[in-house]
Formats: sequence, C-alpha cells, structure tokens
Amino acid sequence: DTGVSQNPRHKITKRGQNVTFRCDPISEHNRLYWYRQTLGQGPEFLTYFQNEAQLEKSRLLSDRFSAERPKGSFSTLEIQRTEQGDSAMYLCASRGLTGGPAHEQFFGPGTRLTVL
Amino acid sequence: DAKTTQPNSMESNEEEPVHLPCNHSTISGTDYIHWYRQLPSQGPEYVIHGLTSNVNNRMASLAIAEDRKSSTLILHRATLRDAAVYYCILRVFQGGKLIFGQGTELSVKP
Repeated sequence: DTGVSQNPRHKITKRGQNVTFRCDPISEHNRLYWYRQTLGQGPEFLTYFQNEAQLEKSRLLSDRFSAERPKGSFSTLEIQRTEQGDSAMYLCASRGLTGGPAHEQFFGPGTRLTVL
Repeated sequence: DAKTTQPNSMESNEEEPVHLPCNHSTISGTDYIHWYRQLPSQGPEYVIHGLTSNVNNRMASLAIAEDRKSSTLILHRATLRDAAVYYCILRVFQGGKLIFGQGTELSVKP
C-alpha cells in the first residue's frame, strides 16, 4: 500500500496524559498537512510542513500541541496534558510539489483520539 | 478565507444522476474550486477540481457558473458506494491548505 498511513488508528487516554501520533506520507510528497475533525463537522486545518519546515500553524494549535517532521519524511503530532475537548479524529494528508495549487491532497485514515 | 455554502443533506436513488450545489459568492480570482468526499470512517478523498471551465473525470463532472459564484458537482449515476459527505472547498493558493465547511451528506437509496 503506497497511500498515507497513520498510527495508531485509535487511542484512548486519560485526561492529563500526553499522546503522540505518527503520519507516514506518500513517498516523495514534500507537503504534509494535519487536520482535526470532531463529530459531525468538517476537518479543520491545524498545520502544514514543506519538507521539514513547518510553514503555517492554525490558531487551533494551542501550546499543548506540537508537530514535527524531522527529516522531511514522516511527521508526529504530540498533544501534552490532554483535555476532553481534544477528543477528535486527527487526519494527515500529503501532497506532491508538482501540479501547483490545484494538486490534490491524499488523506490517511486518521487517528481517533478519545480522552476520558 | 472565502466560504462555501452547501445544503446539509440530499437524497438520491441508485443509478440516477445527482446534482450537488455549492455557493461561493466571495470567491477570488485565484481560488480553485475543489470537491472532496468522505466515506464513513475514512479520510476525505479528492473528487474533482476546476478554476473557470467545466471539468469531467472518471468520478464526476464539475459545472462552474460563469461568474464563478456557484458550482455543481454532478454524479452521473449514483451508486450505493457514493453515499458520503461531499465537501466543496475553495483552495487557498498559499500553502494549499483546505478549508472545509459542513458539507452535504448524500444518501443513496436502492
């Protein structure tokens, strides 16, 4: 399978704990995006990387959230001191450089986080 | 960011055409119109995009109004597998992030 993969697919944690999610984009895709989706809503943009550089962060990305893409390949999203409001589906997408702004993004299956 | 407006839900019968409307009256000249869909328990998937002209691909057709303030996604023959939430999105040029709205939940009846 050469699509975007995300791990874990499901995570249940207690409030106050830290969690980390991983996204493996399509090989050679230089742009990687993180989105968050709560029940019944469309995905909301969180942040994106071009290679290893984090170029934009949404105001939704509070200080408890940090994302990295150390070698320009896989990315991690960490949430510290989780709160119940963090419960959501976290989606990762990647996109190649060629094709300009119209080029499609390829989404992974998401990581569903439940904070108890 | 420019906004889109879509009906919350629509119904269709299997093997009939479906026209999913989208209003985007504040669209700017450089905004591409993208459609993505999200099947249950999956991430969104790309359907089609366009700038000014109507577009066709193997999945659907996109009809864009002459003033670009609205567009319509056309599924020529709906199948049960087309039941999903369809999102109309104006693609931001810088960075390419997608700004999703509520989308239209399409149900297909056999």
